[in-house]
Amino acid sequence: SQTIHQWPATLVQPVGSPLSLECTVEGTSNPNLYWYRQAAGRGLQLLFYSVGIGQISSEVPQNLSASRPQDRQFILSSKKLLLSDSGFYLCAWSAQGWRGASYEQYFGPGTRLTVT
Amino acid sequence: AQTVTQSQPEMSVQEAETVTLSCTYDTSENNYYLFWYKQPPSRQMILVIRQEAYKQQNATENRFSVNFQKAAKSFSLKISDSQLGDTAMYFCACAYNAGNNRKLIWGLGTSLAVNP
Repeated sequence: SQTIHQWPATLVQPVGSPLSLECTVEGTSNPNLYWYRQAAGRGLQLLFYSVGIGQISSEVPQNLSASRPQDRQFILSSKKLLLSDSGFYLCAWSAQGWRGASYEQYFGPGTRLTVT
Repeated sequence: AQTVTQSQPEMSVQEAETVTLSCTYDTSENNYYLFWYKQPPSRQMILVIRQEAYKQQNATENRFSVNFQKAAKSFSLKISDSQLGDTAMYFCACAYNAGNNRKLIWGLGTSLAVNP
């Protein structure tokens, strides 16, 4: 079965410090990968998605970047954190967009980031 | 543009009773899926139920069922025999193909409290 891991679970970082959040998926190959941010326990905002190694699409301009160095690894980074980067970050995967594949996304446990 | 609207920010129900959460969506896609996700206080995002738009039969998963009205673009979730563990934020989402990617459009969520 497929599992998705995220770490760290909780992170407190000062403004201006760098950030690296990691997500890995097990039990599937060639997944689509996604980074979401959820502020104040409300809706999800899609930040980045990737359909393959080195292929990153950004949904909103911001202080963050993403990379996919391996098929099942997705990394969210920042060179200098802002207060507004605080939030709950969720990684998700879905099957590739070929006929017959399911459309749903499966989520990791999330990382709670507080920028002080 | 694809949109998903959840008009009930908060709801409550007594344990063992039935509750219905509303969702409307707007899409120009012919092939799409609809989902309800649950996010309990742990903030793990869990898939509750899926509905394929080309299927007329309403999906059911144990105590969870949907009322899918395609012409009205309505997709409500019914929870029968509510349990305390059903207390969570519930998100409605619509998924469609965007090239090789599967994109999800999310509602803002409904916070459901099950009272003893």
